[in-house]
Amino acid sequence: QLVESGGGLVKPGGSLRLACAVSGFSLSDHFIDWVRQAPGKGLEWVGRTRNRLYDYTTEYATSVRGRFIISRDASVSSVYLQMNSLQPEDTAVYYCLRVAKVDFGEWVDPWGQGTLVTVSS
Amino acid sequence: DIQMTQSPSAMSASVGDRVTITCRASQGINNRVIWFQQKAGKVPKRLIYGATSLQSGVPSRFSGSGSGTEFTLTISSLQPEDFATYYCLQVSSYPYTFGQGTKLEIK
Repeated sequence: QLVESGGGLVKPGGSLRLACAVSGFSLSDHFIDWVRQAPGKGLEWVGRTRNRLYDYTTEYATSVRGRFIISRDASVSSVYLQMNSLQPEDTAVYYCLRVAKVDFGEWVDPWGQGTLVTVSS
Repeated sequence: DIQMTQSPSAMSASVGDRVTITCRASQGINNRVIWFQQKAGKVPKRLIYGATSLQSGVPSRFSGSGSGTEFTLTISSLQPEDFATYYCLQVSSYPYTFGQGTKLEIK
């Protein structure tokens, strides 16, 4: 199970850190992705943190690279999305999703409810 | 980035109709496509992976085809619960990219 938290209202140019609390599986063994959906809009992949085997390396969407950072803390079974220099177009519901350890393992599990980030002055 | 061009962006159809949604990739991606369904107010649900493989629990009226740059999602006989928005996703290379979605409405 993955539960997102940390969303809220932030001003343009501000920062916010989202958390994804993980339970029921070994976080160190899995890739974790962030996906977002702006209100009334389509889905956008945000980024990925790989597992221990891949040294927890990360990938990012072009739209967030250099502004967002994905990290993890195994001691509290959590993954984080640090979002800096936020802009109104970052307003969205953010989901964290597990990648199963099979080919095409992306987001096999039911999605959580996500956390809403609103960037507005 | 690989662009996924999905068509149509919206369509209306009747119960029992056969419906086809297409995604075109801006470069070859083998079979690295996943299809999702999202009903209004709900979270997305995986339907098809590897372009052609049906996700467990998904009705057999859903099918996927294609390879390379052209992919299709077909619903053989629309049911009332199929009216939703459908998205394709390429997982061939980073950054992963979605199609813009196809909203399927009742005629």
